[in-house]
Amino acid sequence: EPEVTQTPSHQVTQMGQEVILRCVPISNHLYFYWYRQILGQKVEFLVSFYNNEISEKSEIFDDQFSVERPDGSNFTLKIRSTKLEDSAMYFCASNLGENTEAFFGQGTRLTVV
Amino acid sequence: AQKVTQAQTEISVVEKEDVTLDCVYETRDTTYYLFWYKQPPSGELVFLIRRNSFDEQNEISGRYSWNFQKSTSSFNFTITASQVVDSAVYFCALSDFDRGSTLGRLYFGRGTQLTVWP
Repeated sequence: EPEVTQTPSHQVTQMGQEVILRCVPISNHLYFYWYRQILGQKVEFLVSFYNNEISEKSEIFDDQFSVERPDGSNFTLKIRSTKLEDSAMYFCASNLGENTEAFFGQGTRLTVV
Repeated sequence: AQKVTQAQTEISVVEKEDVTLDCVYETRDTTYYLFWYKQPPSGELVFLIRRNSFDEQNEISGRYSWNFQKSTSSFNFTITASQVVDSAVYFCALSDFDRGSTLGRLYFGRGTQLTVWP
C-alpha cells in the first residue's frame, strides 16, 4: 500500500541551526502539507503546497520556515534558525485532489536543544 | 472560524466495553468534511473516516461507527467491544471547502486519549 515517508524519524539540533525535514509523498498525489504537533497538544496546520507553490499557510509558518519540492518525489520543510519552541513532531501529508482525504507520514520528531 | 472541540481529554475503559468519543465542530461553511484520525503510541496519524457535510448517514465499519448530526454539529465516534489495541489518541478534524482551501487543510481537535485495560 502506498504511503507517505518521512526522514529522519528523530532529529536533534542545536538552537540556531538550520534543519531540513524530508518527505516523500504518495507518488500520484498533487497536494502536499506540513503539520506540527507540539508534545501533548493538537496537530496544527503549517502550509499546503500545490503546483510548485505555496497555496496556503498558517500564522505559524513565518519567515523562518520554507518548503520546497526539489525534484519529482521529495517535499522538504526547512527551518532556518531553530528555536526551542520549534521542538515538535512534524507531519507531512499528501492527497490526490480536493475531494480526497490526506494521508500522513509517520512524523519526524524534532528536538531543539 | 473553524473549530473542533473534543471535550473528553482522557477516557479509560475495560476491554469489551463500548466507548463513545465526542466531537463538536464549528464552521460557517456549508460545505465541509469531517474526519477521525487515530494516533497510536508509535506516533503516526492513521486515517479512519471522512464524512462530507451533505451526508448525514451514520457509518459502521466493523467495531467502529460514526454518528454525524448536523443539527447539533457533532460527529461522534463509537468503538464497540473495545480492545487493548484500540488504546490511542483519537483526533477529530474539520476541513472546509468554500473558502477555496484545499481539502488537506485540517483543523484538529485536541484529541481524546483512550486507554483500554485488559
